[in-house]
Amino acid sequence: DSGVTQTPKHLITATGQRVTLRCSPRSGDLSVYWYQQSLDQGLQFLIQYYNGEERAKGNILERFSAQQFPDLHSELNLSSLELGDSALYFCASSTSPTDTDTQYFGPGTRLTVL
Amino acid sequence: GQSLEQPSEVTAVEGAIVQINCTYQTSGFYGLSWYQQHDGGAPTFLSYNALDGLEETGRFSSFLSRSDSYGYLLLQELQMKDSASYFCAALMNRDDKIIFGKGTRLHILP
Repeated sequence: DSGVTQTPKHLITATGQRVTLRCSPRSGDLSVYWYQQSLDQGLQFLIQYYNGEERAKGNILERFSAQQFPDLHSELNLSSLELGDSALYFCASSTSPTDTDTQYFGPGTRLTVL
Repeated sequence: GQSLEQPSEVTAVEGAIVQINCTYQTSGFYGLSWYQQHDGGAPTFLSYNALDGLEETGRFSSFLSRSDSYGYLLLQELQMKDSASYFCAALMNRDDKIIFGKGTRLHILP
């Protein structure tokens, strides 16, 4: 158990819908990262937040957005969902924004878009 | 473009040693991390190299050569529980994005 929690564990929705994935980092970790993992694309870095502020951006689509709240939990919002958005979404945390080398991953949310 | 290349699959025998290679083409490279992921599980951090050379952590070691844009993960005394996918990940300029390789699936034979 990494100490990072993610909810929900599974999510099934339809195309065109919007969903919110939630992540709580390890106690004391200020940095949160979001990743998408699909069979054909592998593990893709989406976005990083540190202490409420966006720190780095990866291959995140415009239909996706994220934020980190004052209590340090983070939410990833996915809208206008497409079949291709079906994937595992992982959240990870680290102590500082520069500790990108050591990240602790949550168990993931499996999103299925029908 | 920026990319990391690693073999898609590697097979080894229990008790043996296996090396998983990773070559990268990136700008602003800062360091190389390795993660293990079992089927249905989340990635877990194994090792990190910011400097050239070998880093050893128990049965796992990782190596980096910046001049060759190359690194590897070495697993010794293989156990069946080491059957998993292994990802290398390049850190860019320490405050920028992270790029993952597509992963190497390690099969271990008894």
